[in-house]
Amino acid sequence: KAGVTQTPRYLIKTRGQQVTLSCSPISGHRSVSWYQQTPGQGLQFLFEYFSETQRNKGNFPGRFSGRQFSNSRSEMNVSTLELGDSALYLCASSTGQGQRTNEKLFFGSGTQLSVL
Amino acid sequence: GQSLEQPSEVTAVEGAIVQINCTYQTSGFYGLSWYQQHDGGAPTFLSYNGLDGLEETGRFSSFLSRSDSYGYLLLQELQMKDSASYFCAVRDFRGGYQKVTFGIGTKLQVIP
Repeated sequence: KAGVTQTPRYLIKTRGQQVTLSCSPISGHRSVSWYQQTPGQGLQFLFEYFSETQRNKGNFPGRFSGRQFSNSRSEMNVSTLELGDSALYLCASSTGQGQRTNEKLFFGSGTQLSVL
Repeated sequence: GQSLEQPSEVTAVEGAIVQINCTYQTSGFYGLSWYQQHDGGAPTFLSYNGLDGLEETGRFSSFLSRSDSYGYLLLQELQMKDSASYFCAVRDFRGGYQKVTFGIGTKLQVIP
């Protein structure tokens, strides 16, 4: 079974531009969540999608948005990039079912975004 | 709100045992997970505690005390390849659905 695939692996943008990152979850997984990782900040939750619907959202400005397609693939968009948006963006997939289950998150290798 | 606390760095000797603690503050708590991340790699799942007590998986064990809002990850027979960052993560209930929040991570350095 293929793992979580994120593209591109590296991205360099300048301030003010926008960027779209892509995530293909493990086959059969319907939940995709996104995290921003920066040194010293750990993994900060951005949002989670299940069956094309955003179920949860973290404390990020509206410049950060996402969507999920019917095949569970997800995209994340950041508009009007700022220097502080430089980070590793990780996507994780899971089955997304059950309230009290041992639900593992399976992470992709991430997209390293550098904003100059 | 939610908060998790874990040490930022730990150093231990190869072959020894190390314990990484995690305290949390959250509402609607469901469980505590641990993830490992090597430099440049993706986080990978290590263990999950939904109930109080100890869960053992090979050299790794994880403990949870819900009454104390506390858990730990225990790594035995440390190997050099265990050098990595370890994140505790709480699963809680927010906005009608589960959400996973991660701690800042503990960087473990295993020395010969």
